[in-house]
Amino acid sequence: SQQGEEDPQALSIQEGENATMNCSYKTSINNLQWYRQNSGRGLVHLILIRSNEREKHSGRLRVTLDTSKKSSSLLITASRAADTASYFCATGETSGSRLTFGEGTQLTVNP
Amino acid sequence: DGGITQSPKYLFRKEGQNVTLSCEQNLNHDAMYWYRQDPGQGLRLIYYSQIVNDFQKGDIAEGYSVSREKKESFPLTVTSAQKNPTAFYLCASRPDWGGQFFGPGTRLTVL
Repeated sequence: SQQGEEDPQALSIQEGENATMNCSYKTSINNLQWYRQNSGRGLVHLILIRSNEREKHSGRLRVTLDTSKKSSSLLITASRAADTASYFCATGETSGSRLTFGEGTQLTVNP
Repeated sequence: DGGITQSPKYLFRKEGQNVTLSCEQNLNHDAMYWYRQDPGQGLRLIYYSQIVNDFQKGDIAEGYSVSREKKESFPLTVTSAQKNPTAFYLCASRPDWGGQFFGPGTRLTVL
């Protein structure tokens, strides 16, 4: 079953610009996570935000969570060409240890 | 890719054959996961294990089997019953705090 849905599906920006990706989900969650995947590689965990948190920062990353709207956003500030990748949101169940992944946003940062 | 290894990186299977994908972790994580990723899509959960000698079906378990005899190892067998096995397979493990650590993946192609 598909829980998280990312928007947009693809995003192309210039180096130095900010990139914002959104994720919507349908059911109650314990946490929401963002991952990055370079082409043909495994996923890398970026950040986890719990259902009782509203905002979290990690370096150039800022994640917000609005549980009333069942949505989250990932902001990458001052983007670099090396940020080019697919970004996935994943929701953690209120019980159990499963994650449900969205279909991802393909970010291209042009030098 | 952390302390998780997957082998082989590329695997070719003839129709009617069973093949086994290896996943090993040295992170001392109890929980391990197998996902399937098709081109341009997100991850779908095949099987997961929260502890040694125990595992649960995910969303697309048909045609797959797993075992969890050791904490470090969670092999996935793709059986001949899986009608469309060509895909990218990702293994992950999870510490208590919730984020998942992914291996580099195995790309399986049916000839």
